Amino acid sequence: TQLLEQSPQFLSIQEGENLTVYCNSSSVFSSLQWYRQEPGEGPVLLVTVVTGGEVKKLKRLTFQFGDARKDSSLHITAAQPGDTGLYLCAGERGAGNMLTFGGGTRLMVKP
Amino acid sequence: GAGVSQSPSNKVTEKGKDVELRCDPISGHTALYWYRQRLGQGLEFLIYFQGNSAPDKSGLPSDRFSAERTGESVSTLTIQRTQQEDSAVYLCASSSGTLGNEQFFGPGTRLTVL
Repeated sequence: TQLLEQSPQFLSIQEGENLTVYCNSSSVFSSLQWYRQEPGEGPVLLVTVVTGGEVKKLKRLTFQFGDARKDSSLHITAAQPGDTGLYLCAGERGAGNMLTFGGGTRLMVKP
Repeated sequence: GAGVSQSPSNKVTEKGKDVELRCDPISGHTALYWYRQRLGQGLEFLIYFQGNSAPDKSGLPSDRFSAERTGESVSTLTIQRTQQEDSAVYLCASSSGTLGNEQFFGPGTRLTVL
């Protein structure tokens, strides 16, 4: 059992649809990060959330950190083919401590 | 360079051979991570170095895997007596080690064991 559970594992949608990816844990995190990875490259940071209940927006992407800092969600509005990739959440339990990654959500957006 | 670099980018080896993978982190980053990523899968944590502390080796899958780091610079991941199931992309990442620290990933080394 992973410390961070992501769902769904796979998602295939049409361009223009909305979607939400979830990252859940029974542990409390001091910060939660979301990364996106494209084929042949390493993951790249999208956002870091630190405060319980925090909401951050990055263009069509909305990230939320749960009030108890145990879970997070990523919502994409009007998905585009360029959003295709592997989305990874990662939790940190204290400064200088190791990041723990979820299993990832593989998103495919069809034109 | 400005980012994390890894070498080689691709490595093809025969079953039973040893391989060494290299990671050059961003200068000044105290934390360094190695991950394994099988085709179409997420990241599998292997080992974590933080400053001068003892490394967290809890993710190493067998005693054929080992890693070293010289101070806060280069790291080498060694796989002895490679097996076909070792075939994967091996990713290295470094970070500053502070709260909310971003991990900067290298491009990875694609290992193929024949």
